[in-house]
Amino acid sequence: GENVEQHPSTLSVQEGDSAVIKCTYSDSASNYFPWYKQELGKRPQLIIDIRSNVGEKKDQRIAVTLNKTAKHFSLHITETQPEDSAVYFCAPEIIQGAQKLVFGQGTRLTINP
Amino acid sequence: NAGVTQTPKFQVLKTGQSMTLQCAQDMNHEYMSWYRQDPGMGLRLIHYSVGAGITDQGEVPNGYNVSRSTTEDFPLRLLSAAPSQTSVYFCASSYSPVSYEQYFGPGTRLTVT
Repeated sequence: GENVEQHPSTLSVQEGDSAVIKCTYSDSASNYFPWYKQELGKRPQLIIDIRSNVGEKKDQRIAVTLNKTAKHFSLHITETQPEDSAVYFCAPEIIQGAQKLVFGQGTRLTINP
Repeated sequence: NAGVTQTPKFQVLKTGQSMTLQCAQDMNHEYMSWYRQDPGMGLRLIHYSVGAGITDQGEVPNGYNVSRSTTEDFPLRLLSAAPSQTSVYFCASSYSPVSYEQYFGPGTRLTVT
């Protein structure tokens, strides 16, 4: 199947704290695992992605970790800032059937000052 | 480069009317897709295309038609609009296959009364 689940659906953290969002998928053949950020009223934009040949990738305050065996990957944001408030989507590549991206339901992250 | 462009930005239709949402990209991307975004539902794939002359159905194709006569353009047609099609529609493009960054257009907010 093409099950993609994100948790939690909403997350509220204090400014400066860390936030973690988890995405589980069902296609064991998936090789590409991106995270998108969508600010209110804007289009989704890629913030970080990882391929299956590595377990972790970091870009300044954001990182993505991948556990292919357990079929999940996570977005980590450290030292959160008000501009991190947005909806975040995972979109693992689906290989079974036809190659495409399937987006998770999204996580609304709120950073409290 | 203009990236991915969409027209119109806003549209109000009456039930039963037809219209075409336009999408164009100037990045020579092979892969293009249409998503709809409803509150709390994330981004759901409507139709996609892996190249000119090739289209396929996504998760929610009913009520929508697409064609891909050129690499640049990927219009989405609503044949007989229904209130259930009230949504925000995003067009996206990327290199083929899909395991690359998806570039989204600014979106079209459609209301069907």
